[in-house]
Amino acid sequence: QKEVEQDPGPLSVPEGAIVSLNCTYSNSAFQYFMWYRQYSRKGPELLMYTYSSGNKEDGRFTAQVDKSSKYISLFIRDSQPSDSATYLCAMSTTDGKLTFGQGTILTVHP
Amino acid sequence: DSGVTQTPKHLITATGQRVTLRCSPRSGDLSVYWYQQSLDQGLQFLIQYYNGEERAKGNILERFSAQQFPDLHSELNLSSLELGDSALYFCASNRGGPYNEQFFGPGTRLTVL
Repeated sequence: QKEVEQDPGPLSVPEGAIVSLNCTYSNSAFQYFMWYRQYSRKGPELLMYTYSSGNKEDGRFTAQVDKSSKYISLFIRDSQPSDSATYLCAMSTTDGKLTFGQGTILTVHP
Repeated sequence: DSGVTQTPKHLITATGQRVTLRCSPRSGDLSVYWYQQSLDQGLQFLIQYYNGEERAKGNILERFSAQQFPDLHSELNLSSLELGDSALYFCASNRGGPYNEQFFGPGTRLTVL
């Protein structure tokens, strides 16, 4: 079993929809949680970073962490075609090594 | 642009060969991380350097090695290349410490023929 599980999708939504992306993890030592966006053949771009349970909002993006359930989510409001990309959840313990989910491929169509 | 640079962008080589990938971290960052991204394994941590010293190792093959130089740039050396080593190789950097976000470079695409 992988330490981090992420539904690979693909996920296809109409423009303006609310998108929900999720990851579960098994290692209770994970303390730092991130969401990256990766466009095709590009490097991952950090979207959200959090280290506590609860919600963190940044513009159209909300990251949610539930440590008791070992579950993290990323919500994208008012999705745009430019949001079409692969979304990767990542997490680390105090050692700083990132463990990534497999990535969810998102397509937002006009 | 994350501020992390990687060269070359693409590398095509043959099995059994050796290649060197280069990474320059963001200004002020002391820590460099190397990751491998393949279709079947996803993004996997290889190795971390902090201020010139190896800090952590992941599932890095013995044929792979890395180092960080006094100017903080890092090189990843891949030797005795196999077809399965074809992948995207990313480096990331931060100030050091797990509480600091890692910023990724554009990657080097390695193709082993």
